[in-house]
Amino acid sequence: NAGVMQNPRHLVRRRGQEARLRCSPMKGHSHVYWYRQLPEEGLKFMVYLQKENIIDESGMPKERFSAEFPKEGPSILRIQQVVRGDSAAYFCASSLGPGMDTEAFFGQGTRLTVV
Amino acid sequence: QQQVKQSPQSLIVQKGGISIINCAYENTAFDYFPWYQQFPGKGPALLIAIRPDVSEKKEGRFTISFNKSAKQFSLHIMDSQPGDSATYFCAASTGGSARQLTFGSGTQLTVLP
Repeated sequence: NAGVMQNPRHLVRRRGQEARLRCSPMKGHSHVYWYRQLPEEGLKFMVYLQKENIIDESGMPKERFSAEFPKEGPSILRIQQVVRGDSAAYFCASSLGPGMDTEAFFGQGTRLTVV
Repeated sequence: QQQVKQSPQSLIVQKGGISIINCAYENTAFDYFPWYQQFPGKGPALLIAIRPDVSEKKEGRFTISFNKSAKQFSLHIMDSQPGDSATYFCAASTGGSARQLTFGSGTQLTVLP
């Protein structure tokens, strides 16, 4: 059973370009969470999605950032018109559901560098 | 208040020693407290987790101590090994599960051989 798969592992974008980060959850998992980790900091929650629904996007910046988790295919975190401050590691996690004692499994992350 | 405060920022321990990392929280609605281990270039991996209805949970060399009245919890690593050298994060969430975790800032542990 493959774990949470994120790609690409490393992504370099010039300022103003778009970044698309992909996350395939563990088999059978229908809940996906995106976190951002700045250097030397802990992970910050961004968004929680279920298939075709955004459950909580309270951690998402209001502009330039969007996320989706379509019925088929991976979850996508999209950053438009990237700026240097977007440089970070972006982690995706998945779980079976939001129920009690449900564990979230993390992918290896996508390291975005904006030059 | 959603913050989880973690200390120390870095920790150096001799092989065989005890590593202790502390976290404090403000939000009394938190009811799930996991600890994650992260190696360079990897994602966080769940180490051990506790609910507030118990004061201690032990799994192998790893123990969580939980003090509900003080709103503090800590990770103890007994007989620390060089392979334990990693960054450790405490976290907290509501709903008794791992969704929408609030993470501490991390502790970089180095275990000297």
